[in-house]
Amino acid sequence: GAVVSQHPSRVICKSGTSVKIECRSLDFQATTMFWYRQFPKQSLMLMATSNEGSKATYEQGVEKDKFLINHASLTLSTLTVTSAHPEDSSFYICSASNQGRGAGGYTFGSGTRLTVV
Amino acid sequence: AQSVTQPDIHITVSEGASLELRCNYSYGATPYLFWYVQSPGQGLQLLLKYFSGDTLVQGIKGFEAEFKRSQSSFNLRKPSVHWSDAAEYFCAVGADRKTSYDKVIFGPGTSLSVIP
Repeated sequence: GAVVSQHPSRVICKSGTSVKIECRSLDFQATTMFWYRQFPKQSLMLMATSNEGSKATYEQGVEKDKFLINHASLTLSTLTVTSAHPEDSSFYICSASNQGRGAGGYTFGSGTRLTVV
Repeated sequence: AQSVTQPDIHITVSEGASLELRCNYSYGATPYLFWYVQSPGQGLQLLLKYFSGDTLVQGIKGFEAEFKRSQSSFNLRKPSVHWSDAAEYFCAVGADRKTSYDKVIFGPGTSLSVIP
């Protein structure tokens, strides 16, 4: 089955530094990947849609200069949290589809727990 | 734009009892509907999905869900709950006809506790 690998699973960084999270589709090509954010005991909030070879589409209220998304290949999307602050601490999850539009075959990565100290 | 609600924030059931988790969606056309489960500190696992055809969908771990267009609902059911089913359950809706891809939006989630 389709597998999405997310790395790292956990990261602790100092306030003011940047952190990069990778999302890879291991056995399929994904022209579109999605990045979500989940605060403790809350639902997943869609942050942005990552499109291979073009700019990401950000949801309302998400700072695109703070959350940099790069989708340089059909199997890799990266999310960089720039100048991280404690309020950016959260669980970040990516997803990708291997079945094309309409099939609803989304696979999620295992998530990255970011802690900013 | 699509949206989804889950009226029950938390549900507690006894092991062996039946379970129904409610989900209602809002969308102008027939959406794609999903149920995901998340164990504490873990990622998401797809339980089942609906996008066309038979409105009663069978999923993994003995779960099923029924799409009811007239009620804009996609409730998740299981006839006999196991202690290992304790987790957070998310209903999600996907589709955005304005774009070339489906955007999946999640409901607020229902936390399930199972009493031995």
